[in-house]
Amino acid sequence: GAGVSQSPSNKVTEKGKDVELRCDPISGHTALYWYRQSLGQGLEFLIYFQGNSAPDKSGLPSDRFSAERTGGSVSTLTIQRTQQEDSAVYLCASSLGDGTAFFGQGTRLTVV
Amino acid sequence: AQSVTQPDIHITVSEGASLELRCNYSYGATPYLFWYVQSPGQGLQLLLKYFSGDTLVQGIKGFEAEFKRSQSSFNLRKPSVHWSDAAEYFCAVGVNSGYSTLTFGKGTMLLVSP
Repeated sequence: GAGVSQSPSNKVTEKGKDVELRCDPISGHTALYWYRQSLGQGLEFLIYFQGNSAPDKSGLPSDRFSAERTGGSVSTLTIQRTQQEDSAVYLCASSLGDGTAFFGQGTRLTVV
Repeated sequence: AQSVTQPDIHITVSEGASLELRCNYSYGATPYLFWYVQSPGQGLQLLLKYFSGDTLVQGIKGFEAEFKRSQSSFNLRKPSVHWSDAAEYFCAVGVNSGYSTLTFGKGTMLLVSP
């Protein structure tokens, strides 16, 4: 597609449930990022994939969070046993690897 | 590790007035520098970037930014603000290599008054 696509755009889930957030990057982009944006907190780095290298998971806040990128393209961010503090907008971005990131519209996650 | 400071949380500018948004970074070598804009409910859009060369870079929507190594700054400017510029602006720094995460500042919310 022309841009980074994220789905769903909105997700409401009950506390304790697992959720999966999907990101379709721009075709040909080797790098993919996940960020979390909470009110007043700016953008918090979660995880970074670059080509076939091992992902940089240094930003994942707990072991309830995981992400994978299949075939160097689509990525899924999974949050297990969701908590209310996980409520945020989750942003995905892709890049050719030079750091120029193109962002999707985000998934707004609400944990009730 | 790199870091970014945007000292102004909110700025209000009159329509037609000039604008400068401040950004200071911390990184040991020459960084990659970016400005992004986020309108309500939207993702981030790239305004401009600096990798090397001319320290004054031009971007979209009439924005420009100047890299000042001595001040570790990358301030965003616009000579005449339009009401549609009201949004949140984020400065970001990347490592100067092919393996580059981005570190963002906390953002500056721009309000434009009539």
